[in-house]
Amino acid sequence: DIQLTQSPSFLSASVGDRVTITCRASQGISSYLAWYQQKPGKAPKLLIYAASTLQSGVPSRFSGSGSGTEFTLTISSLQPEDFATYYCQQLNSYLYTFGQGTKLEIK
Amino acid sequence: QVQLQQSGPGLVKPSQTLSLTCAISGDSVSSNSAAWNWIRQSPSRGLEWLGRTYYRSKWYNDYAVSVKSRITINPDTSKNQFSLQLNSVTPEDTAVYYCAREIAARENWFDPWGQGTLVTVSS
Repeated sequence: DIQLTQSPSFLSASVGDRVTITCRASQGISSYLAWYQQKPGKAPKLLIYAASTLQSGVPSRFSGSGSGTEFTLTISSLQPEDFATYYCQQLNSYLYTFGQGTKLEIK
Repeated sequence: QVQLQQSGPGLVKPSQTLSLTCAISGDSVSSNSAAWNWIRQSPSRGLEWLGRTYYRSKWYNDYAVSVKSRITINPDTSKNQFSLQLNSVTPEDTAVYYCAREIAARENWFDPWGQGTLVTVSS
């Protein structure tokens, strides 16, 4: 299976900050990567697919980049509703896997 | 707008079968450009993909290695839904279970997800 490692696992930040989350794959996955946001008690919500394509309706402060084995999710200016847990997912092979998550907390 | 509505029991006894259903509105389980997935989430395992069913002139299934001997995912075209059966459950199968549509384009992604069902395995 392809392993995904997110860093950091926990991130403390303030409203208005710019934050970046990294997802590293154990082998190359081209651009077959998605990012999800999950709030407590809710299902994951798609933010970005194909590594850098913003899902319709997602605010433009979210952006994704990368290919191969290293990917990033950036939030350009944190808003109160962005405090949540973020997951990456690889879809390169059908044995899909997720990162362990990055919990973004209010400083 | 596509919506997925999950149903099924929240408590299953050890050694029995976990059964969940995901009803689809706004799309078809027989779509040639989608696949229908089950994922679970627990504190110990995180998000774990379990398997999928999809139609490309005939029905296909893919399953995670970790559950391959115990899992069945079936489409139900008459009700436009799909189901998960997981046999011989143990307490380690306690998790929140989600269904999700996979868009199968040049790159794939999961959207939307069902609301989630907490399944507890306990006697």
